Amino acid sequence: GAVVSQHPSWVICKSGTSVKIECRSLDFQATTMFWYRQFPKQSLMLMATSNEGSKATYEQGVEKDKFLINHASLTLSTLTVTSAHPEDSSFYICSALHAMNTEAFFGQGTRLTVV
Amino acid sequence: AQTVTQSQPEMSVQEAETVTLSCTYDTSESDYYLFWYKQPPSRQMILVIRQEAYKQQNATENRFSVNFQKAAKSFSLKISDSQLGDAAMYFCAYRSGNAGGTSYGKLTFGQGTILTVHP
Repeated sequence: GAVVSQHPSWVICKSGTSVKIECRSLDFQATTMFWYRQFPKQSLMLMATSNEGSKATYEQGVEKDKFLINHASLTLSTLTVTSAHPEDSSFYICSALHAMNTEAFFGQGTRLTVV
Repeated sequence: AQTVTQSQPEMSVQEAETVTLSCTYDTSESDYYLFWYKQPPSRQMILVIRQEAYKQQNATENRFSVNFQKAAKSFSLKISDSQLGDAAMYFCAYRSGNAGGTSYGKLTFGQGTILTVHP
């Protein structure tokens, strides 16, 4: 099956610093990738849609200047949390839309803790 | 906008028994897909089963089956012969079948149901 690798799996950073999370489709091309945020025991909330070669589409209420998304190739999208604060601590999950069969595959997620 | 509702925050079942998780959705679209995902403690999202709206036949995957009632906009998941490994959070999700638009492929999730399996 198709594999999506998300890195890092967990990260701790100091308040005010920036953190980059990578989402790679290892064995397929993904024209579209999605970034979700999940709080403990809650649902996944879509943050933004990342399309290769174009600007990301952010959901209402998501600060595009805080959550920078880049989708420079058909296999890689990155989410950068800028000037992170404790309230940004959360679980971030990416999914990649398979260009051929339009199935979405999930990365293993990244647990971000801002101290 | 589409919405997905899971009205059971928690469910429990005895090992080897059957349990049904409920899901309702709201949409004005005629072409869409519905999914059930499992999220175990590792938090990796695992696709359990998928249903295309245009198909009348209910999808089945081994011990997992759905009851898709399109008119009622209901999409329940039945787990037969429950196993300890089935314990997880289960999410119902909706995806538009409309290939146009920049958000094609995005999933709208329900609130989730935590399933506990008792030995």
